[in-house]
Amino acid sequence: SAVISQKPSRDICQRGTSLTIQCQVDSQVTMMFWYRQQPGQSLTLIATANQGSEATYESGFVIDKFPISRPNLTFSTLTVSNLSPEDSSIYLCSVGRGTSGGAEDTQYFGPGTRLTVL
Amino acid sequence: GENVEQHPSTLSVQEGDSAVIKCTYSDSASNYFPWYKQELGKGPQLIIDIRSNVGEKKDQRIAVTLNKTAKHFSLHITETQPEDSAVYFCAAHNFNKFYFGSGTKLNVKP
Repeated sequence: SAVISQKPSRDICQRGTSLTIQCQVDSQVTMMFWYRQQPGQSLTLIATANQGSEATYESGFVIDKFPISRPNLTFSTLTVSNLSPEDSSIYLCSVGRGTSGGAEDTQYFGPGTRLTVL
Repeated sequence: GENVEQHPSTLSVQEGDSAVIKCTYSDSASNYFPWYKQELGKGPQLIIDIRSNVGEKKDQRIAVTLNKTAKHFSLHITETQPEDSAVYFCAAHNFNKFYFGSGTKLNVKP
């Protein structure tokens, strides 16, 4: 498995501000993934973060709104910019852990960051 | 792309009874099917998974079955306990992405 921590665990932010979420993994992984889970809903992939390259964003998510950093193989950050109440969600970091360390491997999730935007 | 449908959305059972959650998928290229349990305020936790070359897998009270022909897979929980109460998500892996079902809220009544 994988031990994944996220900071902060929760936050309440004002409209128009930004929040940066940190994700730390206990060992090196090739890919890290960021998901959004709106209240009572399923998980939606925001982007895939590879170390040393630009993140790959899913349809409906753009880098200006969700900039991602991946400075090394155990750490990533997701920033949610220009916050609006519609951004209130749980944001989850996940990693693949298996033979190749890629997207096809078993995915493990962090505990999530619960964001409330007023 | 892949479409995963999950039923039921809510399920209430008496402690000790069995619970079954079903998922269907649309793309026969999907090859890996994990199940996650999410408790309130926590991230999803992998509880069992199955790959497309296997028809059934069991781990204590939890089992998963896969029917590739019909493109459906199911989670079976036997002898349910109150601590099994949570939201369960199925997922299908297809071309480097995971597609998640909409979730099933399981309530086990003591």
